[in-house]
Amino acid sequence: DTGVSQDPRHKITKRGQNVTFRCDPISEHNRLYWYRQTLGQGPEFLTYFQNEAQLEKSRLLSDRFSAERPKGSFSTLEIQRTEQGDSAMYLCASSARAANDQETQYFGPGTRLLVL
Amino acid sequence: QQQVKQSPQSLIVQKGGISIINCAYENTAFDYFPWYQQFPGKGPALLIAIRPDVSEKKEGRFTISFNKSAKQFSLHIMDSQPGDSATYFCAANRIGYQKVTFGTGTKLQVIP
Repeated sequence: DTGVSQDPRHKITKRGQNVTFRCDPISEHNRLYWYRQTLGQGPEFLTYFQNEAQLEKSRLLSDRFSAERPKGSFSTLEIQRTEQGDSAMYLCASSARAANDQETQYFGPGTRLLVL
Repeated sequence: QQQVKQSPQSLIVQKGGISIINCAYENTAFDYFPWYQQFPGKGPALLIAIRPDVSEKKEGRFTISFNKSAKQFSLHIMDSQPGDSATYFCAANRIGYQKVTFGTGTKLQVIP
């Protein structure tokens, strides 16, 4: 399977703990995105990388959140001092620039986080 | 601020019927309107998309209708099948900008 992969698929943690999620994009895609999706809502944009550069961050991304893409390939999303409100599905997507600028973002299966 | 409003929240359609999901947007700078389909335990997958220079786009059983003046667009699923049961999200973004704004989703159930 050459799609976007995410690890772990599920994470249960206690409030105050740190968690880290990994995303492996489609190999030729230079753009990578993180979204958060809560129950009954659509995905909300968190941040975006072009190669290793983080080019945009949402106001949703508080200072407890940090994302990296050190070599322009896989990315990690870390949440420090987790809070119950962080419980959500964290989705990763990747894309490659298209000739007509209409890029399709391909989503991974997500990491479901539950903070107790 | 919710920039893309979607309705209904849930929809039950009989097999063979037409499923219709509506969306409205606020930001007139949006110029690309994709629809995503999401099955339980999976990430969203692009279904069909439209640009505002056309009023309709059809791909198989799926049609997007677009009304630029009303800032509304809708997804029609003809001959709905049980396999279409999923959550559908409308979305909008500006071409060249990477942030996609999603609607709140419509859970579709197609009953035999």
